[in-house]
Amino acid sequence: NAGVTQTPKFRILKIGQSMTLQCTQDMNHNYMYWYRQDPGMGLKLIYYSVGAGITDKGEVPNGYNVSRSTTEDFPLRLELAAPSQTSVYFCASSQKGLAGGKLNEQFFGPGTRLTVL
Amino acid sequence: QKEVEQNSGPLSVPEGAIASLNCTYSDRVSQSFFWYRQYSGKSPELIMSIYSNGDKEDGRFTAQLNKASQYVSLLIRDSQPSDSATYLCAVSGYGKLTFGQGTILTVHP
Repeated sequence: NAGVTQTPKFRILKIGQSMTLQCTQDMNHNYMYWYRQDPGMGLKLIYYSVGAGITDKGEVPNGYNVSRSTTEDFPLRLELAAPSQTSVYFCASSQKGLAGGKLNEQFFGPGTRLTVL
Repeated sequence: QKEVEQNSGPLSVPEGAIASLNCTYSDRVSQSFFWYRQYSGKSPELIMSIYSNGDKEDGRFTAQLNKASQYVSLLIRDSQPSDSATYLCAVSGYGKLTFGQGTILTVHP
């Protein structure tokens, strides 16, 4: 199993450009998450999904959009990129949600390092 | 008050010593608690999870949870230079996982 994969690894955007960060998992997990991590900080939840066709906002959703058409894929869309979106983006998945128990452990992809100039 | 707070460090310990990492959380309904290790430039890796009060041991790692005090800790025994990383505490509640800012641990030979 490849686990959680993300593309691209690195990207530089100009202000106002848009892009899609790709995330795919092959563990048949229902739950998927997008986080951003700024230097020296913990992870902040952007959006999450509890299954195909169902998404919800996290702590910092402004400037981002997501979709979940399949169990495997959870792309993150940046519209009108701004310097404040310069960050490292991590996608994660878990078999269950956060009601407790071992099945809610989250597995992370390798990350996408995004710079907006 | 931050939802999940960790000692920012950095914490420096000699090789072979015990490293103690601490985390407090504000939400009493939190149910699951995790410790992730993150090497520089890499993604977080789950190393311990704990769901009930008390201690949980896994090799050189021991997680301790005290829900009454809203406190969770991670002990690393016989610390090795390869343990040098940022350790993130994460707490679940209301359907989301909240991370602390991380503690940088350096183990020097």
